[in-house]
Amino acid sequence: NAGVTQTPKFRVLKTGQSMTLLCAQDMNHEYMYWYRQDPGMGLRLIHYSVGEGTTAKGEVPDGYNVSRLKKQNFLLGLESAAPSQTSVYFCASSSRGALGANEQFFGPGTRLTVL
Amino acid sequence: GDSVTQMEGPVTLSEEAFLTINCTYTATGYPSLFWYVQYPGEGLQLLLKATKADDKGSNKGFEATYRKETTSFHLEKGSVQVSDSAVYFCALSVGTGRRALTFGSGTRLQVQP
Repeated sequence: NAGVTQTPKFRVLKTGQSMTLLCAQDMNHEYMYWYRQDPGMGLRLIHYSVGEGTTAKGEVPDGYNVSRLKKQNFLLGLESAAPSQTSVYFCASSSRGALGANEQFFGPGTRLTVL
Repeated sequence: GDSVTQMEGPVTLSEEAFLTINCTYTATGYPSLFWYVQYPGEGLQLLLKATKADDKGSNKGFEATYRKETTSFHLEKGSVQVSDSAVYFCALSVGTGRRALTFGSGTRLQVQP
């Protein structure tokens, strides 16, 4: 049982390049999330999904797109990377249960640097 | 909107010292409250949670009590160890819609032998 996995672990991009971050979970969770972590700012929600085939914007969605074609996978795309997107990206998942009380399980993170 | 405020770090303590990390929140609904811990180079792990007023969450010697009257969820441990060195995040989730977490900025704890 791997939990939540993320690929790649590290990536360096040049401004204007594109890339996709992959998140996979094997816990059959309905909810999946993408956060970014920046120094002194905690984690901020980029996009989220409440089920297969559905996605929605979080607090900081600009410059990112997402897709959830399969329940176990949640992809985060950067179409044209900018230095402001240098960050650590975390994926998380949770089950559909008691409102608000569910634990979110986090992946190990992807450290992205945009030059 | 919802927000979480926690004390700035780093907090530096000697082994076996008492730990308090303050956390206060504002929320539009009735939130559930969480403490997550992030060890160096790793993702976040749930440390403890509380879902209603006066609930006490506890795990690995850490405790926090949901205080609705003071909108607080302070983290405490009676005797810290070097292995507790990590970044601690207070977070809330309002149980409707997306159920995403709103995080505080994190507090780095350094425990010296």
